[in-house]
Amino acid sequence: DPKIIQKPKYLVAVTGSEKILICEQYLGHNAMYWYRQSAKKPLEFMFSYSYQKLMDNQTASSRFQPQSSKKNHLDLQITALKPDDSATYFCASSQDRGNQAPLFGEGTRLSVL
Amino acid sequence: QQQVRQSPQSLTVWEGETAILNCSYENSAFDYFPWYQQFPGEGPALLISILSVSNKKEDGRFTIFFNKREKKLSLHIADSQPGDSATYFCAASGGNYQLIWGSGTKLIIKP
Repeated sequence: DPKIIQKPKYLVAVTGSEKILICEQYLGHNAMYWYRQSAKKPLEFMFSYSYQKLMDNQTASSRFQPQSSKKNHLDLQITALKPDDSATYFCASSQDRGNQAPLFGEGTRLSVL
Repeated sequence: QQQVRQSPQSLTVWEGETAILNCSYENSAFDYFPWYQQFPGEGPALLISILSVSNKKEDGRFTIFFNKREKKLSLHIADSQPGDSATYFCAASGGNYQLIWGSGTKLIIKP
């Protein structure tokens, strides 16, 4: 059974709309992350959370907002979607932040038309 | 000073050969180096990792060689199999730094 669940697996959106990508982990990890992968950038770190607090933000645009309602949840809200936002978004987690290799989910493939 | 560089961008080897993937970094504070393997349509998966106190780490056909002085490391895949065809990412971190990722090497194993 997958230990990191991302929903939906595929998502098609229109330019200007808003979407929420869901991520839940059942590993008891304290740190969670969002990454983005596209043809332009192989693997791009976006955010890290530790104990539900934002620790790192490498995303320049405020259109991307992570939301952590529970310790094992880290959703990603994207507003005013643009075609350039088309990518696969990966959620990941690790026991703690720091020298640890995160475990990745299967990703949400977002296409913005 | 935060960059991690990988080379080559793509690599093709014959089945049975040893594939060598290279990685270098700039920040001397980095002391943990995981390698990830990613198949198309899947998320990256941890393959093997090394701490800077070691100069070699083996796991089956996969070996990391680490040179702290030169800030370089390499992943050797012995007896390459077609199933090893994937993209390989080198990453680095130190202390409380978040992982810094290389741009990946796409490996193709020809049968």
